[in-house]
Amino acid sequence: DGGITQSPKYLFRKEGQNVTLSCEQNLNHDAMYWYRQDPGQGLRLIYYSQIVNDFQKGDIAEGYSVSREKKESFPLTVTSAQKNPTAFYLCASSIWPASSYEQYFGPGTRLTVT
Amino acid sequence: SQQGEEDPQALSIQEGENATMNCSYKTSINNLQWYRQNSGRGLVHLILIRSNEREKHSGRLRVTLDTSKKSSSLLITASRAADTASYFCATDLNAGGTSYGKLTFGQGTILTVHP
Repeated sequence: DGGITQSPKYLFRKEGQNVTLSCEQNLNHDAMYWYRQDPGQGLRLIYYSQIVNDFQKGDIAEGYSVSREKKESFPLTVTSAQKNPTAFYLCASSIWPASSYEQYFGPGTRLTVT
Repeated sequence: SQQGEEDPQALSIQEGENATMNCSYKTSINNLQWYRQNSGRGLVHLILIRSNEREKHSGRLRVTLDTSKKSSSLLITASRAADTASYFCATDLNAGGTSYGKLTFGQGTILTVHP
């Protein structure tokens, strides 16, 4: 089955620790995206990548980092510099550009930092 | 940054009734998309409507776009309890005729359909 997988579904970390969220897709999409969703809010774009070895900051990139070494993988690292990391994180992929094509979303990772 | 805003924030109806959600945005767009999210899950794409289109249908869904008013509406006809979810509009920015290729999501409308 084609789709996007995110792991783990729930993640707990202590404040001050970096944590990496996994996102894998087998849809052969060039573009991948990371969003953050807070309770009762819409999605905010953290980073996006149009193609392998290239990525751009979204609207709220501070405290986050990404890599795109393989077409199918786009891991997100939440660093200790992120002031309020507890949130629901969603990964998506699409044919580029996203504005012309639908985005396919993973099931999300709920991160809790205490 | 430009953002879509949905209205109402929450909508509660009975099964069989129609549900209408609205989305307003601030600047010119290339396309507008509607997504659905069940509680605690990822989003699912519903419809994409291009800036030169005025109306689009998909099953029980009808989307309209009024670029002069910078607004869109999503109508779900004959609603079912399974339609209970949050609905988001997403827009892209048209800057000088080109797209940045990324979407901006609104805060969503929470729809509850009572059986």
